[in-house]
Amino acid sequence: DAKTTQPNSMESNEEEPVHLPCNHSTISGTDYIHWYRQLPSQGPEYVIHGLTSNVNNRMASLAIAEDRKSSTLILHRATLRDAAVYYCILRDDFNFGNEKLTFGTGTRLTIIP
Amino acid sequence: NAGVTQTPKFRILKIGQSMTLQCAQDMNHNYMYWYRQDPGMGLKLIYYSVGAGITDKGEVPNGYNVSRSTTEDFPLRLELAAPSQTSVYFCASSYELNTEAFFGQGTRLTVV
Repeated sequence: DAKTTQPNSMESNEEEPVHLPCNHSTISGTDYIHWYRQLPSQGPEYVIHGLTSNVNNRMASLAIAEDRKSSTLILHRATLRDAAVYYCILRDDFNFGNEKLTFGTGTRLTIIP
Repeated sequence: NAGVTQTPKFRILKIGQSMTLQCAQDMNHNYMYWYRQDPGMGLKLIYYSVGAGITDKGEVPNGYNVSRSTTEDFPLRLELAAPSQTSVYFCASSYELNTEAFFGQGTRLTVV
């Protein structure tokens, strides 16, 4: 399985943009890049996912490198509610027998008021 | 549309007791997952299912069993509870592999 590498922790000031990096140098051509986050004392929640092109939704943007070996989750204007652990996950849509959804250690994001 | 519902929310078990953690989803999702999360740690996949009648082991299946007799329900059975199974358990579901997964609110289990 292709692995992802994320920093253990990051800090950002409130109301400023946050760029959360993820490295996935062994990504395959059919791997989608997913991001989830887990707020304190809650279950994980979906943030965004993409394959090759950059993606935007109401929560965040996902910037994918041209070679797809890395990606960045962008929170455009961090609030205190964005303090969470952020997980970058690869999912292969075409590899039957590989339907697991597994989480690494993620990046713990602290927002400074 | 309730999403993913887990019951109970809290439970205290004595060593050696058994129990079933319930998970139900009303979104007609094919894929369902069970995770455990120990304090301060990440989520570990226990079992998953790709459809009714089909289940498979995840990263930490020992001490647990699952069944998937319907699309909606995916119960997790603990036989002979041990203190090492003290954890928060999350159930999740998704329609397909690359669609959004929805998580329940978790069941906090303590084995004493």
